[in-house]
Amino acid sequence: EPEVTQTPSHQVTQMGQEVILRCVPISNHLYFYWYRQILGQKVEFLVSFYNNEISEKSEIFDDQFSVERPDGSNFTLKIRSTKLEDSAMYFCASSVDIQETQYFGPGTRLLVL
Amino acid sequence: DQQVKQNSPSLSVQEGRISILNCDYTNSMFDYFLWYKKYPAEGPTFLISISSIKDKNEDGRFTVFLNKSAKHLSLHIVPSQPGDSAVYFCAASYKYIFGTGTRLKVLA
Repeated sequence: EPEVTQTPSHQVTQMGQEVILRCVPISNHLYFYWYRQILGQKVEFLVSFYNNEISEKSEIFDDQFSVERPDGSNFTLKIRSTKLEDSAMYFCASSVDIQETQYFGPGTRLLVL
Repeated sequence: DQQVKQNSPSLSVQEGRISILNCDYTNSMFDYFLWYKKYPAEGPTFLISISSIKDKNEDGRFTVFLNKSAKHLSLHIVPSQPGDSAVYFCAASYKYIFGTGTRLKVLA
């Protein structure tokens, strides 16, 4: 069964450093998403991406964040200058269409020191 | 501003009994709702969804009920099994706003 994959599973970085989180969505899906979950809190929407551009973003997704689909398979989230409060689990998801079910990857646990 | 609320952080149910998980929302523009199950160290897994044109959707042991006038939905699991123990999130369409989750524990 096709699934969303994410790398790395864990990432530790120093405050101020740039990180890139990678995702491979399900191949026939057209919509891609990033979410985060701070420990003990709810899952929060960050951004959705369709047709090579951002379709929706939340207030969390500020200028420090960017997304890219550099090739036909990868979908990346870049945090330019990490802050301590960026420490969270980051989930990528994909769906066939905007109101279709989103399938989530296993997440990347980011720890900013 | 919590637009999607799950007021019960945890729930314990005996194996074989019904589990009822509740979710309330505030925005009447939401027209599509989903329930996800999440195990520790894994991503959320889709369970069941419902569109606002329906008031019930059933899939095996899982049934979701939607009461639009009360802005309330619930997930029923019958019969509950120990493998159902997980955190359950409801989510509303339009930026997929998630609730805070309910941790379900099914006791053998």
